[in-house]
Amino acid sequence: EAQVTQNPRYLITVTGKKLTVTCSQNMNHEYMSWYRQDPGLGLRQIYYSMNVEVTDKGDVPEGYKVSRKEKRNFPLILESPSPNQTSLYFCASSSETSGRETQYFGPGTRLLVL
Amino acid sequence: DAKTTQPNSMESNEEEPVHLPCNHSTISGTDYIHWYRQLPSQGPEYVIHGLTSNVNNRMASLAIAEDRKSSTLILHRATLRDAAVYYCILIQGAQKLVFGQGTRLTINP
Repeated sequence: EAQVTQNPRYLITVTGKKLTVTCSQNMNHEYMSWYRQDPGLGLRQIYYSMNVEVTDKGDVPEGYKVSRKEKRNFPLILESPSPNQTSLYFCASSSETSGRETQYFGPGTRLLVL
Repeated sequence: DAKTTQPNSMESNEEEPVHLPCNHSTISGTDYIHWYRQLPSQGPEYVIHGLTSNVNNRMASLAIAEDRKSSTLILHRATLRDAAVYYCILIQGAQKLVFGQGTRLTINP
């Protein structure tokens, strides 16, 4: 089954404790991205990657890092989480970058930073 | 950056057609118009997309204005399972996705 998986699905942590949210897709997609969703603000793009070792900032990259060492994985790293990063996070992938193809979204990771 | 504008909420009755509007007056010539929906506690799921011509699939139809400054998602016969937040999204070069605020669709039995 074609899917995007995220782990963990729920996470409670404390300010400053580094964490990584993993994202993996099994569709051999080149493009992957991360979003955060906050009440009243909708979905905002954090980072995206057009291929292995190619990443770029979205609209709200501050406080986040990403890496794309393998095509299937695109982890989101919070080096020093803060309470304003409490949010619902989604990973997405698609087969190409022109906009002609569907985006597939993961189930989401709900993060609470105390 | 091009942005999309959608009504915050809409309401319809079961088995009636629903027309969800989206304005994107600053759309660029190569921007694709995508529609996704998000059910409670789930990630967004694809509904339909197009560039210039109207599009139909098993879920919905997409009507794109001739000047491309607006589009309308049409659900031909709404069911209770269609209750969701619907997002109109422009996909610009290099896969930058611009999400609108979304329209919360309520379907009355």
